[in-house]
Amino acid sequence: SQKIEQNSEALNIQEGKTATLTCNYTNYSPAYLQWYRQDPGRGPVFLLLIRENEKEKRKERLKVTFDTTLKQSLFHITASQPADSATYLCALRSAGNMLTFGGGTRLMVKP
Amino acid sequence: NAGVTQTPKFQVLKTGQSMTLQCAQDMNHNSMYWYRQDPGMGLRLIYYSASEGTTDKGEVPNGYNVSRLNKREFSLRLESAAPSQTSVYFCASSNQGVSHEQYFGPGTRLTVT
Repeated sequence: SQKIEQNSEALNIQEGKTATLTCNYTNYSPAYLQWYRQDPGRGPVFLLLIRENEKEKRKERLKVTFDTTLKQSLFHITASQPADSATYLCALRSAGNMLTFGGGTRLMVKP
Repeated sequence: NAGVTQTPKFQVLKTGQSMTLQCAQDMNHNSMYWYRQDPGMGLRLIYYSASEGTTDKGEVPNGYNVSRLNKREFSLRLESAAPSQTSVYFCASSNQGVSHEQYFGPGTRLTVT
C-alpha cells in the first residue's frame, strides 16, 4: 500500500543550528513533492515544491532535496530560529490534481 | 485578498444533526479541496473539485457530500453527523498548472457529541 512517513517524534534543536526533517514514501512515483508549514490552530502554508527531475531546491534559509531512488526527501532549515518552530508536512502529488500528506514532524527551536 | 475563507470557525453538533461547512476563495483558482485533520492521522482528502461543475471523491468521502456552487465556493455537507466526524476541517484551493501548490483556509473545528 502507499505510505508517506515522517518522524512523528518532535525534533528539538538549538537556535542557530540546522534542522533536518525527513519524508520517506513507498509505492508512489511522484511527479512532485511539496513541503508545508503548519502552526497550531492554523491551516498549512505552502513552502517549497520540488519536481522529480530536480535534486535540490532552495528558498532563503530552506533547502529541499528529492531522491527518487531512495524514495526520500530531506527538508533543511539553516540558522534556525525560535520562529521556525512549527509542524512541517510533506505531500506528494502522484496523479491527477490530488495531494497526499504525511503526518508531519513538529520542530521545536530553543533559544 | 482574503485568500481562502471558511465558516464557521467552531461548531458543536449532536449525533444525527446536519450542517454545511462553507468555503470561498478569491484567487480565481480552478481547483478546490476539503480535508479533515485528526491527531495521528494527518490531513486526509474528503472530496475535491478539479474545476467548476466537477467533484470527485477523495480518500475518506463516506458521510459527506459536496457542492461546487460556482468557481469561488465549495461547500461540504454532513447529512447525519456522527462522533467519528469530530475533526478539524480544512478547505484549500489551487490553480491548475505546473506548480499546483495549495492554499488553505483557517479551518473549522467540529465536535459531534
